[in-house]
Amino acid sequence: DAKTTQPPSMDCAEGRAANLPCNHSTISGNEYVYWYRQIHSQGPQYIIHGLKNNETNEMASLIITEDRKSSTLILPHATLRDTAVYYCIVRSQGSGGGADGLTFGKGTHLIIQP
Amino acid sequence: NAGVTQTPKFRVLKTGQSMTLLCAQDMNHEYMYWYRQDPGMGLRLIHYSVGEGTTAKGEVPDGYNVSRLKKQNFLLGLESAAPSQTSVYFCASSSSYGYTFGSGTRLTVV
Repeated sequence: DAKTTQPPSMDCAEGRAANLPCNHSTISGNEYVYWYRQIHSQGPQYIIHGLKNNETNEMASLIITEDRKSSTLILPHATLRDTAVYYCIVRSQGSGGGADGLTFGKGTHLIIQP
Repeated sequence: NAGVTQTPKFRVLKTGQSMTLLCAQDMNHEYMYWYRQDPGMGLRLIHYSVGEGTTAKGEVPDGYNVSRLKKQNFLLGLESAAPSQTSVYFCASSSSYGYTFGSGTRLTVV
């Protein structure tokens, strides 16, 4: 799996958009970008994933650059409950892609300020 | 649906004692995993299973054993607990598209 690089921490004001960057310059053509978050001591929670097109769901938007070497997770209207550690993970999908688990780095600790 | 359920939620063991952590999923997922998370760290994979009756080692397997006798259950065993195994343990299951995690077991070995 390709390695990812994320800032260790970020602050964002409540109600503003939180933009979390992730670099994955060694990503290969069949690898997806996944985002998970972990709210204090809970199990990680799936947020969104994408291959090369931008994606949006009820939680967030994922913007992937055209060369796929970096991406940005966007929480459009951050609330205090969005304070968490956010993990950007790159791996392939499909029957073999999930077999040996996700590799977690240290992620970005996002702190939403009131 | 309950998703992924871990029992127990908390446990204190003395050094040398043994215990089994149970993970149960009701989503008919083939793949299941055990992770540990130490303070300030990301999750590290201990063991995983790609189907009933099969298990494999992850990144940090030493001191742990696992069994997957039924598709819905994945057991993690500590035969002789050590203080270095004090951690929060997370179980997960997955389909091709995503992972579902349990709420964790906080284990302290004294």
